[in-house]
Amino acid sequence: KAGVTQTPRYLIKTRGQQVTLSCSPISGHRSVSWYQQTPGQGLQFLFEYFSETQRNKGNFPGRFSGRQFSNSRSEMNVSTLELGDSALYLCASRGQGRYEQYFGPGTRLTVT
Amino acid sequence: KNQVEQSPQSLIILEGKNCTLQCNYTVSPFSNLRWYKQDTGRGPVSLTIMTFSENTKSNGRYTATLDADTKQSSLHITASQLSDSASYICVVSDVTIKAAGNKLTFGGGTRVLVKP
Repeated sequence: KAGVTQTPRYLIKTRGQQVTLSCSPISGHRSVSWYQQTPGQGLQFLFEYFSETQRNKGNFPGRFSGRQFSNSRSEMNVSTLELGDSALYLCASRGQGRYEQYFGPGTRLTVT
Repeated sequence: KNQVEQSPQSLIILEGKNCTLQCNYTVSPFSNLRWYKQDTGRGPVSLTIMTFSENTKSNGRYTATLDADTKQSSLHITASQLSDSASYICVVSDVTIKAAGNKLTFGGGTRVLVKP
């Protein structure tokens, strides 16, 4: 089985711009979660989607949003980028009824 | 507030030696505890997942223990190899799989460097 894939792997954006990141889960997985990882804050939960519905949300401002499509692929959008948004953004997929999460390689976002 | 504390923040060990990483949590209600290994610039990879009723779980040279009474877990690495150099992250879930959502609290990680 192919693993979780994320695109793009690296991205450089300017303050004020917006960005969309993509995540394709493992085939058959319907749950996709997004995380932000920074050296100072570590891993922080952004949101989780299951069957196109946001099921859970972390403590991030409304500039961070996401969605999930009928094929379980998910996108995350960050509007009005700030320097502090520079981070590794990870997505993870999970099979129904399972604890195990499988992470993708992440998208490294740099905001200048 | 749910918290997961890991110690030490970093450690250096010689190849072939053993080491133990600690994780203390104050997450309630407890569902399960996971240990992940994360190589630099990559996504975390699951090593073990333990529920309330499990005291120990192994994955090759990695052995995790859980004491739900004291809310402590440890990850023991046996006969370390250079490839064990990574960050190890302790994660605690406070909801059951059947409940809505997937609430995880992450520790800050322990960075391990194995030297030849």
